Amino acid sequence: KNQVEQSPQSLIILEGKNCTLQCNYTVSPFSNLRWYKQDTGRGPVSLTIMTFSENTKSNGRYTATLDADTKQSSLHITASQLSDSASYICVVSASDSNYQLIWGAGTKLIIKP
Amino acid sequence: GAGVSQSPSNKVTEKGKDVELRCDPISGHTALYWYRQSLGQGLEFLIYFQGNSAPDKSGLPSDRFSAERTGGSVSTLTIQRTQQEDSAVYLCASSLASSGGAKTQYFGPGTRLLVL
Repeated sequence: KNQVEQSPQSLIILEGKNCTLQCNYTVSPFSNLRWYKQDTGRGPVSLTIMTFSENTKSNGRYTATLDADTKQSSLHITASQLSDSASYICVVSASDSNYQLIWGAGTKLIIKP
Repeated sequence: GAGVSQSPSNKVTEKGKDVELRCDPISGHTALYWYRQSLGQGLEFLIYFQGNSAPDKSGLPSDRFSAERTGGSVSTLTIQRTQQEDSAVYLCASSLASSGGAKTQYFGPGTRLLVL
């Protein structure tokens, strides 16, 4: 069964600290993996997208990694800011089709001053 | 520029009533998606429209759910005879044509539906 599991479910860190969120997937065949940020009461916003051949991609203070062999991805946030408080969702696609996506439940990140 | 808009932002209805949720995609985006997000859960795909092609309705949970897209732009998701388990956030997204590789989806703010 195609699944995307994220950990931790929630995380609280102090402003300025770094953190890493994890994503494990069992989706096959694999096409690409995306990380989204979803602020409370808003729709998800795309942060990164990685294909099979890419093992790291950065977007400002966000760096995503992908290990297609172990089927794991991580999202590292550097020098966290209060505005980073949100849910971070890992999404895996089994094809180039945009709608055959398997969504993780997300990690809820809270940044405290 | 204008993003994806949805209306209403919140909807409270009584069990058994019908509701209509509206989505205005980004101009020029030919692909439109509806998702449902229950509290603490991942997004659940409902339906996908691409241009003039027949929509993919494989995610609709029951025949009480239907959606249409008029003129290749605005879309309406209709839930008939609502049930309490329909309570969720309904998200709409749009993207450029999906064929030829994955395209970034842009999401609206969602409609929060509460069925009493």
